[in-house]
Amino acid sequence: QQQVKQSPQSLIVQKGGISIINCAYENTAFDYFPWYQQFPGKGPALLIAIRPDVSEKKEGRFTISFNKSAKQFSLHIMDSQPGDSATYFCAASPYSGGYQKVTFGIGTKLQVIP
Amino acid sequence: NAGVMQNPRHLVRRRGQEARLRCSPMKGHSHVYWYRQLPEEGLKFMVYLQKENIIDESGMPKERFSAEFPKEGPSILRIQQVVRGDSAAYFCASSAGLAGDEQYFGPGTRLTVT
Repeated sequence: QQQVKQSPQSLIVQKGGISIINCAYENTAFDYFPWYQQFPGKGPALLIAIRPDVSEKKEGRFTISFNKSAKQFSLHIMDSQPGDSATYFCAASPYSGGYQKVTFGIGTKLQVIP
Repeated sequence: NAGVMQNPRHLVRRRGQEARLRCSPMKGHSHVYWYRQLPEEGLKFMVYLQKENIIDESGMPKERFSAEFPKEGPSILRIQQVVRGDSAAYFCASSAGLAGDEQYFGPGTRLTVT
């Protein structure tokens, strides 16, 4: 049972373009939605996160859009750069105090070509 | 300020042997999570521990797998009688356990069972 569905699994974008990754969830108990960036041989690192009381959150070139009624959220990377080439995971968890049992999507391997 | 440390980074075991994976959380963190990443898949939650306590082991296989986080020393994920299907990257993450606190991931241990 895949509780967080992520697409596409791979993405090739030209430098300067917009990278878009989409995710959908099923569990209505989820109320915290982080995105992680993972480079080869490294652990995931938190990139940006959103809670469902807002529909959009922007940090630099990274924007999360959130649609609570559709149970969907997406990551937009503006002005994509070769250094953004990595695997991106959307995730979701209940936001219960300090305990976060995070459910990850399958990941999107992004390649930004010069 | 060292991050989450995991060792070994690479571990090769023959079928039937035991694997011990160690995780030292970030300084000041007393909450540890273990995740498994199978090839071409996202990370899957395995277990959540606090010092000397297992809080949630709902993602742990029922047999051969165990985890501990003693009062002193690193957290240990132990896999007995390994099989080829155990080959994966195992990541631990730590947090301070406060509301809204980020999980910081280690670099992972890549287990290969031959």
